[in-house]
Amino acid sequence: GAGVSQTPSNKVTEKGKYVELRCDPISGHTALYWYRQSLGQGPEFLIYFQGTGAADDSGLPNDRFFAVRPEGSVSTLKIQRTERGDSAVYLCASSLSAGITDTQYFGPGTRLTVL
Amino acid sequence: GDSVTQMEGPVTLSEEAFLTINCTYTATGYPSLFWYVQYPGEGLQLLLKATKADDKGSNKGFEATYRKETTSFHLEKGSVQVSDSAVYFCALPFDTGRRALTFGSGTRLQVQP
Repeated sequence: GAGVSQTPSNKVTEKGKYVELRCDPISGHTALYWYRQSLGQGPEFLIYFQGTGAADDSGLPNDRFFAVRPEGSVSTLKIQRTERGDSAVYLCASSLSAGITDTQYFGPGTRLTVL
Repeated sequence: GDSVTQMEGPVTLSEEAFLTINCTYTATGYPSLFWYVQYPGEGLQLLLKATKADDKGSNKGFEATYRKETTSFHLEKGSVQVSDSAVYFCALPFDTGRRALTFGSGTRLQVQP
C-alpha cells in the first residue's frame, strides 16, 4: 500500500518568505508526527497530532512554526519569515494509533533550503 | 528528558565482517527502544525494536538486546553485506508516556566488497 508522502520533495526559498510543507499519512493512521533533520544529525521532534488536535507541540522552536491537521488526515507545516537556520529536511511520520510501541512510518522528507 | 548516545561513524567494514554499533540510553523508566535505518536516497524506516528489558529485537539478520543493567541497546549483525550500507539511528521516546521519539546522531556504515 501507499506509504507516507510529502510534497514538495525540495523547496528553495528566500529568507523572510513563508513556506508550507504538506504530509499525506498512511490511510487510517490516526497519529502524525513532524520532525526535522539537519545534515549529519538525527531527526528532531517538532509536533505530534492525534486526530485533528496537536497533542504535543513542545518541539516547535518558536512561534514562526505552526502546523495543522484540520480533517485528521493531511497535515501542513507552516513556517513564517523563514531564516537560513530553518534549512533542513522536514520529515513526516504516521502511526496507526498513539501507542508508545506503535511503529512510526516515515515519509521521504522535504528538503528546505533558505537562501 | 530521556536521551540516547550512539557511536560516531563512519564505520567501514568488509563484506561478511561482524558489526556492532553501540547505543546507550538515559531514561527515568523502562522505555521502548528502537533502531531505525536510512538507506541512501530513501526515507527512515524501522529496523527493529524492543519493548521491555531483556527483549531481543531482530530483523534482516540484525539483532539488539535491551539491557537495563548497562542501559544499552547495541546493534549487531554477524555478517554484513554491501546492501547494509546506510545510516543507523538509535531512538527512544522523549519521556515515559510521550509518543515523540528522540534519536541519536546516527552512525554511517559503509560496507566494502
